[in-house]
Amino acid sequence: DGGITQSPKYLFRKEGQNVTLSCEQNLNHDAMYWYRQDPGQGLRLIYYSQIVNDFQKGDIAEGYSVSREKKESFPLTVTSAQKNPTAFYLCASMGWRGGTYEQYFGPGTRLTVT
Amino acid sequence: QKEVEQDPGPLSVPEGAIVSLNCTYSNSAFQYFMWYRQYSRKGPELLMYTYSSGNKEDGRFTAQVDKSSKYISLFIRDSQPSDSATYLCAMRNISNFGNEKLTFGTGTRLTIIP
Repeated sequence: DGGITQSPKYLFRKEGQNVTLSCEQNLNHDAMYWYRQDPGQGLRLIYYSQIVNDFQKGDIAEGYSVSREKKESFPLTVTSAQKNPTAFYLCASMGWRGGTYEQYFGPGTRLTVT
Repeated sequence: QKEVEQDPGPLSVPEGAIVSLNCTYSNSAFQYFMWYRQYSRKGPELLMYTYSSGNKEDGRFTAQVDKSSKYISLFIRDSQPSDSATYLCAMRNISNFGNEKLTFGTGTRLTIIP
């Protein structure tokens, strides 16, 4: 997956628990993104970060939180306030290398909350 | 109305056929256009990236952009069973510095029949 990893691949949690999804990249990309994918709805942007220590809400940020303390890492916390957290979560990074645009997605984390 | 519309399919074609996948959009500020391939339970993979009207070719894949009609297409020649996947279109603008959000279509599920 081009130097971007997500863990774990599958995650099961009980309702009311917070859970943190990991995303790490070794591509030296400045920008990192979190998307949620649900059947029939495509990818929806949760949060994104263009530089370290800065991040912006996406279209569906409610119930989620992020941090960007290091360039390589962009963890996503799904809080108990998220009404429908069961979904496939995808992390992506984006940047330019030698004048060529690069973007890679991680393999995803499938979260199931019961 | 969604900013990006994509027929979800499913689309089934025989091996060797030419496949045409399409998206329409309503936001004239979109300047960059991408096509992704996503295999089941995997993260999307960037296939093509264009920023101007016209055609861009890469092997068996051709991306076509018509900004006047707000219409983009991906053509796959000599389709193979390994092309069976969900294809997502995505678009982005740069409305201000550092704002590089992607807007995705819902994806078209394609099956190539041997």
